[in-house]
Amino acid sequence: GAGVSQSPSNKVTEKGKDVELRCDPISGHTALYWYRQRLGQGLEFLIYFQGNSAPDKSGLPSDRFSAERTGESVSTLTIQRTQQEDSAVYLCASSQGAGVPEQYFGPGTRLTVT
Amino acid sequence: AQSVSQHNHHVILSEAASLELGCNYSYGGTVNLFWYVQYPGQHLQLLLKYFSGDPLVKGIKGFEAEFIKSKFSFNLRKPSVQWSDTAEYFCAGHVNTGKLIFGQGTTLQVKP
Repeated sequence: GAGVSQSPSNKVTEKGKDVELRCDPISGHTALYWYRQRLGQGLEFLIYFQGNSAPDKSGLPSDRFSAERTGESVSTLTIQRTQQEDSAVYLCASSQGAGVPEQYFGPGTRLTVT
Repeated sequence: AQSVSQHNHHVILSEAASLELGCNYSYGGTVNLFWYVQYPGQHLQLLLKYFSGDPLVKGIKGFEAEFIKSKFSFNLRKPSVQWSDTAEYFCAGHVNTGKLIFGQGTTLQVKP
């Protein structure tokens, strides 16, 4: 079946602009996660959604970052007033539920802030 | 604090050499551990996982990992690497809040 998809695959933006990154999870997966991977570093957790529960936003680095999810489908990660340190690969993952440890990752969006 | 650490950041091996990548975790509670692999130009793929039971787990492509509770370790091994194993390897732990905590990653370069 279809895996996790993300768009765009690459995004170049000017400092100060807002960007939106999209994630389509695997159908039927109720949990959706966003991670960030900076060059040469591991993945940092940003936020996750589980069904209709309040999202866990504990990993968001600043109030410029926000995310929404429509039901149990598409999610959008928004970064306002982008800064150069926001340059990274943003990865989305989904799982059958927050209590199900195995997460499936999308190909990521490479964001470059100039 | 909950954390996962990988000891080797960059490993260079010749084909047929044996591989062991270290991973240690630091958190209590239920332990669910993973190794993910990211081949050049591809997205993260699950290599193997440990939830419970036999501490020696086998994954795809001849990889295995051993969970040693007393050492808080989950090292990845392969007896004989191939050039196609060139990739970045990430150890991760799942905490009961849902998220994965990743190590810093290890870049493996296999010389033909």
